[in-house]
Amino acid sequence: DTGVSQDPRHKITKRGQNVTFRCDPISEHNRLYWYRQTLGQGPEFLTYFQNEAQLEKSRLLSDRFSAERPKGSFSTLEIQRTEQGDSAMYLCASSLLERRNYGYTFGSGTRLTVV
Amino acid sequence: EDQVTQSPEALRLQEGESSSLNCSYTVSGLRGLFWYRQDPGKGPEFLFTLYSAGEEKEKERLKATLTKKESFLHITAPKPEDSATYLCAVQVNAGGTSYGKLTFGQGTILTVHP
Repeated sequence: DTGVSQDPRHKITKRGQNVTFRCDPISEHNRLYWYRQTLGQGPEFLTYFQNEAQLEKSRLLSDRFSAERPKGSFSTLEIQRTEQGDSAMYLCASSLLERRNYGYTFGSGTRLTVV
Repeated sequence: EDQVTQSPEALRLQEGESSSLNCSYTVSGLRGLFWYRQDPGKGPEFLFTLYSAGEEKEKERLKATLTKKESFLHITAPKPEDSATYLCAVQVNAGGTSYGKLTFGQGTILTVHP
């Protein structure tokens, strides 16, 4: 169990560019979640997958955001035409659906800065 | 809409000075309440899950309790290494498999001075 891995750790991009982040969950976990966190706030839910199916997407999520989880393993989160307001920490987490008393395991996040 | 409010926003303690953090929630049907610890620049680290009113869980100097409206995280004789942001989150019963997401509070920043 190597934990949840996210890549890259940091990304600086110019406004209007597209960016893609990757998340590798714990191998036996069937659920994968994406959250966004800004300074001084708790994580905000974006979307989650059970295996390869995307089960819920936040209504706050712009159409510029898209996430995939092909084959139910790793996941990617793409932001198109980035805006300065997209600057945040993007967190990925995974869990095993039926496992009580164990919370989601979070990765260390990808910090996005849009300049 | 589900709401989670944490207080205080920031708490400064002297080493050994016990205190409590509060998490108040308003949800349609609570499935679980989660506590996480987050260090600067890192992702949240799982501490506890509580499922029903009256439940308590302990880990080292931390003890979490749950009522029908709020949860407390009690810190006994804290040490400087307990300094972190403590996050509370709720998961609701929404039928079928749609209870996946956690809704977080804004967190309490705890600083413990030696």
